[in-house]
Amino acid sequence: SFELTQPPSVSVSPGQTATITCSGDNLGDKYACWYRQKPGQSPVLVIYQDNKRPSGVPERLSGSNSGDTATLTISGTQSLDEADYYCQAWDSSTSGVVFGGGTRLTVL
Amino acid sequence: QMQLVESGGGLVKPGGSLRLTCVASGFTFSASDMSWIRQVPGEGLEWVSYITSYNKMNYGDSVRGRFTISRDNARNSLFLQMNSLRIEDTAVYYCANFQLFGELGGWFDPWGQGTLVTVSS
Repeated sequence: SFELTQPPSVSVSPGQTATITCSGDNLGDKYACWYRQKPGQSPVLVIYQDNKRPSGVPERLSGSNSGDTATLTISGTQSLDEADYYCQAWDSSTSGVVFGGGTRLTVL
Repeated sequence: QMQLVESGGGLVKPGGSLRLTCVASGFTFSASDMSWIRQVPGEGLEWVSYITSYNKMNYGDSVRGRFTISRDNARNSLFLQMNSLRIEDTAVYYCANFQLFGELGGWFDPWGQGTLVTVSS
């Protein structure tokens, strides 16, 4: 079955660039998207169709998707970026949806 | 402004049933694909089910045969009938608008605030 793999945690210093990866077989052949979830809140879409930002999401957040890996990049990371980030894609073999296990971003 | 409000969660015994409801506003519900996603407290997200605007449905392996998704366009409402509940079904259940683009996939936006389902004896 199709699976998405994310690192459990990523740490970054304020002002630096955070990179969160999401790996899956031929992930680049389908749309990847990303959600941010802060404690006690519902997930919020931050990247869709590999690299598009919904209105209200700052340009500091960007996405890419090629080969087997989708990447969420946060430039100039701020303390307010601390959250859990989940990638998500389509499983064409089951016509279902798959989430990555999530990555906790810590801004030290 | 698109809004989704879930209700119907609560405490239920193993083997019991529960029906979740999600009321939508701020968009054309009848033309929208919708989905349920759940999250065990402290853990990751798990897709549960979706229903398209033309009533195509699909389910995750862990709930297929026990859960049924449905919709009432006249009431702008999405439902999840959960039968034969197990302890491992304990989770916060979110409904979400599903932007599906065929075999390329799609995304969920927005999400509701979630409703907690606890399965325990």
